[in-house]
Amino acid sequence: QQQVRQSPQSLTVWEGETTILNCSYEDSTFDYFPWYRQFPGKSPALLIAISLVSNKKEDGRFTIFFNKREKKLSLHITDSQPGDSATYFCAARGNTNTGKLTFGDGTVLTVKP
Amino acid sequence: GPKVLQIPSHQIIDMGQMVTLNCDPVSNHLYFYWYKQILGQQMEFLVNFYNGKVMEKSKLFKDQFSVERPDGSYFTLKIQPTALEDSAVYFCASSFSINERLFFGHGTKLSVL
Repeated sequence: QQQVRQSPQSLTVWEGETTILNCSYEDSTFDYFPWYRQFPGKSPALLIAISLVSNKKEDGRFTIFFNKREKKLSLHITDSQPGDSATYFCAARGNTNTGKLTFGDGTVLTVKP
Repeated sequence: GPKVLQIPSHQIIDMGQMVTLNCDPVSNHLYFYWYKQILGQQMEFLVNFYNGKVMEKSKLFKDQFSVERPDGSYFTLKIQPTALEDSAVYFCASSFSINERLFFGHGTKLSVL
């Protein structure tokens, strides 16, 4: 059973549009949710993260919205740019005190100019 | 920013052989991780390591796998013997503490023939 799910699997938007990436999870012990971005051939890099104490986290063009009751998150990218084209991974960390992250399958985003 | 280096970037070996994947974590980091990513799929946690010991391992961390960091040098993942299903990209990651962000390397692509 997959603990972290992402949708859609892939997405294409036009430059300037708002991108919405979805994530949901099963495990109630998850308390921290980072989003990682991975460009082809590169290492995943932390983009933005949110914890259970917040409903929203904003950093520039990137915003996480968190619905704790439904165990759902979404990452919004406003004014999407071709340089945003990458794979976006939602991850979750539980309170196991080991730092282990559980990743979703990722969403491949393509932004067309 | 801080970098995690992985050596080699690509390794091709015959099934049954031993392979060692090397990771040079961020210099002051104390927690080390290995993740496995099969092409097009999610990154899956293998193991994490702190203070010379394995803290947690997943069911993917088979008996043929071992990790060590002798004398503060490379953090290594050894697979002996290798199997066809071990073909994947292996990502090393490190963090200063359990609650700090993970920094990932570029990955080592392992091809078992």
